[in-house]
Amino acid sequence: AQSVAQPEDQVNVAEGNPLTVKCTYSVSGNPYLFWYVQYPNRGLQFLLKYITGDNLVKGSYGFEAEFNKSQTSFHLKKPSALVSDSALYFCAVRDSSSGNTPLVFGKGTRLSVIA
Amino acid sequence: SAVISQKPSRDICQRGTSLTIQCQVDSQVTMMFWYRQQPGQSLTLIATANQGSEATYESGFVIDKFPISRPNLTFSTLTVSNMSPEDSSIYLCSVRDSLNGYTFGSGTRLTVV
Repeated sequence: AQSVAQPEDQVNVAEGNPLTVKCTYSVSGNPYLFWYVQYPNRGLQFLLKYITGDNLVKGSYGFEAEFNKSQTSFHLKKPSALVSDSALYFCAVRDSSSGNTPLVFGKGTRLSVIA
Repeated sequence: SAVISQKPSRDICQRGTSLTIQCQVDSQVTMMFWYRQQPGQSLTLIATANQGSEATYESGFVIDKFPISRPNLTFSTLTVSNMSPEDSSIYLCSVRDSLNGYTFGSGTRLTVV
């Protein structure tokens, strides 16, 4: 079975500081990993994904994430946070061998960037 | 990537009634996925809809409560039947793109009163 853990319900960071939103996963095979962001009263927006290749993935709005196979982690990072980054962030996973199957989501982490 | 048009964006419904949510995709896709996001919660998969066959429901979701239609490769509907306040949630459809990406509809925010 596939699963995702986002250990922090809430992350607070000052504007201009680096931010990290944590994610660990569990799959039986190789993972496909995703980050999505949800702003209030908006749908899910895709940020980035890891399928294969470089462990460091760069995505939208200056976000990046590093795939760490030994630690089964895929933490989301940004060097300098903006107030506009305040939103709900979801990590999601799919086993690469599972064919046309849906994503499994973590519970979400609410990021609050304080001016 | 695919573009999904989901309707309605929001609705307020009386308990005991039903609401049908529509998702139209701008390209043909094999599978469509329906999720529920309860207030302050994560996304939970309701069912997977494959064109030409009955949808496959996840544990805790049944066809009588959430009937799904998938008449062709670009369209699907989810009906929330006999609604109660506990059904108040955001409902989202999703498809898998090429290159192993996933696109989501903008969501339907349902309030049952």
